[in-house]
Amino acid sequence: GAVVSQHPSRVICKSGTSVKIECRSLDFQATTMFWYRQFPKQSLMLMATSNEGSKATYEQGVEKDKFLINHASLTLSTLTVTSAHPEDSSFYICSAPLTDTQYFGPGTRLTVL
Amino acid sequence: GNSVTQMEGPVTLSEEAFLTINCTYTATGYPSLFWYVQYPGEGLQLLLKATKADDKGSNKGFEATYRKETTSFHLEKGSVQVSDSAVYFCALSPDYKLSFGAGTTVTVRA
Repeated sequence: GAVVSQHPSRVICKSGTSVKIECRSLDFQATTMFWYRQFPKQSLMLMATSNEGSKATYEQGVEKDKFLINHASLTLSTLTVTSAHPEDSSFYICSAPLTDTQYFGPGTRLTVL
Repeated sequence: GNSVTQMEGPVTLSEEAFLTINCTYTATGYPSLFWYVQYPGEGLQLLLKATKADDKGSNKGFEATYRKETTSFHLEKGSVQVSDSAVYFCALSPDYKLSFGAGTTVTVRA
């Protein structure tokens, strides 16, 4: 089946720094990818839709200047958490659709100290 | 708006026991309904889906029926195995955007 990878799987950073998370579709192309955030024991919340060749679409309440999304190619989307703070600590998951099925990456655990 | 409510866990079962995880939804229109599973250390995988009322999705011994009258999509398996230990998410989608339930952790003991 289709595979989506994320890198890194875990990252620890200091408050005020920026962190980049990569999402790649390994064996298919995706003009659209999705970024989710998951807090402990809570559901996944859609943050934004990443669109290849155009601006990302953010869900209500998500700060677009804080969570920068770049869909550089048909197989790569990046999420940059800028000026990270402890409240940004979370599990970030991306997905990419192929036909009518969403394929998910394994997630990135971000811890901001 | 769209929302999904699923049974809170954790759920602990013995092998060969019957598993049911309740899921109800609120949505405008007629969304597709999904169950995703997340095995330890892995990404979410589609377990099954149903795209219209009365459809039954099934996979790996799991089943769920799209019940429009009760706005439900309960997941069932008649005889679980240790390898079914995972977190199960109910989700709905009118398009590619998914709204997830909180997830239910299931542990099956030998």
